[in-house]
Amino acid sequence: EPEVTQTPSHQVTQMGQEVILRCVPISNHLYFYWYRQILGQKVEFLVSFYNNEISEKSEIFDDQFSVERPDGSNFTLKIRSTKLEDSAMYFCASSESDSPNVGSPLHFGNGTRLTVT
Amino acid sequence: KNEVEQSPQNLTAQEGEFITINCSYSVGISALHWLQQHPGGGIVSLFMLSSGKKKHGRLIATINIQEKHSSLHITASHPRDSAVYICAVRSGWAAGNKLTFGGGTRVLVKP
Repeated sequence: EPEVTQTPSHQVTQMGQEVILRCVPISNHLYFYWYRQILGQKVEFLVSFYNNEISEKSEIFDDQFSVERPDGSNFTLKIRSTKLEDSAMYFCASSESDSPNVGSPLHFGNGTRLTVT
Repeated sequence: KNEVEQSPQNLTAQEGEFITINCSYSVGISALHWLQQHPGGGIVSLFMLSSGKKKHGRLIATINIQEKHSSLHITASHPRDSAVYICAVRSGWAAGNKLTFGGGTRVLVKP
């Protein structure tokens, strides 16, 4: 079964450094998402992306964050200047459709654990 | 803003027992997801539903839109069902998968 792949599985960086988290969504999917989970807390929505542009973003997704689909397969999340509070597990997800009526499930990657020191 | 609450927070069952996890939300939704998070952290989508009931294997998900409540049932539970189960809601038709997540229910099934 096709799956969403994320790299790296674990990234350690120093405060103030830029990081890029990479995701390869399922090939025929059109909608892409990033979520994050701070250790011990709920999963939170960051951003959704469709047709090469952001369709929705949360309050968390400020100017330090950006997303890009640089080619036909990768979907990246960049954090420009990392802070200690950016330490979290970041999940990429994709889906075929965004409609609740179509029943298209979300497919998640295994996550990238980002540790900011 | 939708508030999503799950109960119980933790649940321990013996193998073979019937398990029920509950999810309540505060604002009307267009869809609700049940997700399974494995000990390693990976998340798997179990169900997406907007009305009624869905069944997949030993898992059953129901939703009552009027009461703003959903349940996930696991029949004949098995140790491999041990995981965190998360409910997540989509608040509007145009909301996309901008989901609001519950805090999860940690399930441990003992052999």
